[in-house]
Amino acid sequence: DVKVTQSSRYLVKRTGEKVFLECVQDMDHENMFWYRQDPGLGLRLIYFSYDVKMKEKGDIPEGYSVSREKKERFSLILESASTNQTSMYLCASSPRVGGEKLFFGSGTQLSVL
Amino acid sequence: SQQGEEDPQALSIQEGENATMNCSYKTSINNLQWYRQNSGRGLVHLILIRSNEREKHSGRLRVTLDTSKKSSSLLITASRAADTASYFCATGADSWGKLQFGAGTQVVVTP
Repeated sequence: DVKVTQSSRYLVKRTGEKVFLECVQDMDHENMFWYRQDPGLGLRLIYFSYDVKMKEKGDIPEGYSVSREKKERFSLILESASTNQTSMYLCASSPRVGGEKLFFGSGTQLSVL
Repeated sequence: SQQGEEDPQALSIQEGENATMNCSYKTSINNLQWYRQNSGRGLVHLILIRSNEREKHSGRLRVTLDTSKKSSSLLITASRAADTASYFCATGADSWGKLQFGAGTQVVVTP
């Protein structure tokens, strides 16, 4: 089975801190995604990547950046955390061929105080 | 932007009953998928239906797609307590896995 691992289940940070959320997948997938999930809004796409060192903005990239230095790892960076970035963050991956179906990690619940 | 919208927002049924939830979307799609999320965890893929398909089955799941009405429905037959979860529809416009999700339907199945 595909495993997508997010480094932290819960994270508490202070306003203005730089925050790194890490995601690793073990199935050699080319595509990786970061979503945030908020009640009543569903999942919204922040950034995605189709290959190493490639990144594309999603629907809500403001305040975020990403890094994909290795194929298996996709990092989400909050340059200066703000309270409105308190949310559940979900990482997902899929293969390039037949890649419609996403495999999700367990999520990181981030609280910014 | 939120592409899919689920209806109802919440559903409470008893074990053995069927659960039906609907999804409407706004733009042309390549495929529509349903995912389940248990208790704030990650999402798990349930079923995918392509734009040229009208109905698909997987175990106790039945999905229909009406592209003329831009809508889909998910039916869970003979529900179990373990089906308690949130269910999300997601639409894909390409084969690259970039999906637009709805806000979800929260289903509670009581024994």
